[in-house]
Amino acid sequence: SQQGEEDPQALSIQEGENATMNCSYKTSINNLQWYRQNSGRGLVHLILIRSNEREKHSGRLRVTLDTSKKSSSLLITASRAADTASYFCATDAGGSEKLVFGKGTKLTVNP
Amino acid sequence: GAGVSQSPRYKVAKRGQDVALRCDPISGHVSLFWYQQALGQGPEFLTYFQNEAQLDKSGLPSDRFFAERPEGSVSTLKIQRTQQEDSAVYLCASSLRQGGRGQFFGPGTRLTVL
Repeated sequence: SQQGEEDPQALSIQEGENATMNCSYKTSINNLQWYRQNSGRGLVHLILIRSNEREKHSGRLRVTLDTSKKSSSLLITASRAADTASYFCATDAGGSEKLVFGKGTKLTVNP
Repeated sequence: GAGVSQSPRYKVAKRGQDVALRCDPISGHVSLFWYQQALGQGPEFLTYFQNEAQLDKSGLPSDRFFAERPEGSVSTLKIQRTQQEDSAVYLCASSLRQGGRGQFFGPGTRLTVL
């Protein structure tokens, strides 16, 4: 079964707006990662945040982590049509080698 | 190429047929993972190799699923007597070393069982 859930399940915004996606998980973690998946393609690693970090930035991406609430958020600023994709959070579920993914948020950025 | 490659990209099988899916990881990557992704869902872990050793196969849904990595590089996921519920995208990922972080994913094989 999957670790947690992202919300919203689907998000549609205009180019230039910010997009925020949330992820909740169930078990303790060492790190949490966000991946992007374009239609018909594999997953692309975006960013990793460790359990002792609260916020991390990478370009137009900002990730926060609240281990007390077992939740994370991904913010994409100044969105572009090319950001249209599904976004998944994944955890290491307590340090195991495997990744445990949520169900994903489908983001549509309209030009 | 420099990335993870998988073949075939698409496979249509009749129910009951055996299939074999291939994964070529990034050269030198020690860890190799297989995931199953149903339509509209996130990937779910199937099995994990470190070099040629299969260290975790807890996600394999039944004994019809078998994976191997005999020389510690290329891996094959075999599904025997396919059933309709096996229809999914099968993703392979590799990482440089033990640690699970920064897994690099292939494009996947979309399996459709009729």
